[in-house]
Amino acid sequence: AQTVTQSQPEMSVQEAETVTLSCTYDTSESDYYLFWYKQPPSRQMILVIRQEAYKQQNATENRFSVNFQKAAKSFSLKISDSQLGDAAMYFCAYRKGGGDWDFGNEKLTFGTGTRLTIIP
Amino acid sequence: EAQVTQNPRYLITVTGKKLTVTCSQNMNHEYMSWYRQDPGLGLRQIYYSMNVEVTDKGDVPEGYKVSRKEKRNFPLILESPSPNQTSLYFCASSLSTGANTQYFGPGTRLTVL
Repeated sequence: AQTVTQSQPEMSVQEAETVTLSCTYDTSESDYYLFWYKQPPSRQMILVIRQEAYKQQNATENRFSVNFQKAAKSFSLKISDSQLGDAAMYFCAYRKGGGDWDFGNEKLTFGTGTRLTIIP
Repeated sequence: EAQVTQNPRYLITVTGKKLTVTCSQNMNHEYMSWYRQDPGLGLRQIYYSMNVEVTDKGDVPEGYKVSRKEKRNFPLILESPSPNQTSLYFCASSLSTGANTQYFGPGTRLTVL
């Protein structure tokens, strides 16, 4: 079974600084996808960034980027120029690849989350 | 507006009183799932559906039922709720698997006394 581990329950960063959230995962699959979701106090789950395992290039979305180390099974999220609106719980998630009707391909397996605080 | 809606958003009930949490999506998505979120555990999948009349268990299905009679709706049924089902529940949908985005509903906070 796949597992996702976020070892930092809480982190804080000064506004405008850079912070990196860690995530490791365990899988025997070669085809999979990784995601970072943000959950602000409103509780809404918001997709921040995704990475396809077959792509060597790290994904970026504006101030958000990932460091994907496939061999090490590591998928960290870097937030640059942190803003007050970035304060939230961040979840790393894994999804198996394969065909649409393969069992378990629709499921996201989540880590336990990292609560990020932005210090003004 | 493309969205996933859930109702109710908040519910307090008592042990044993049957309840249904509704979920509806307007994006014509094939896949729908229910997750529960508990402190220190992240989100865990309860049930999922690949299409109308096709449902299967996720990681924590005990005490829950689902149905998928229409493509847009995927209700979660608790026939005899217990206090350990107190949680935050999310419905999600996606067009397909793989890299396709799962869109989440706003969440339902359930308290079972």
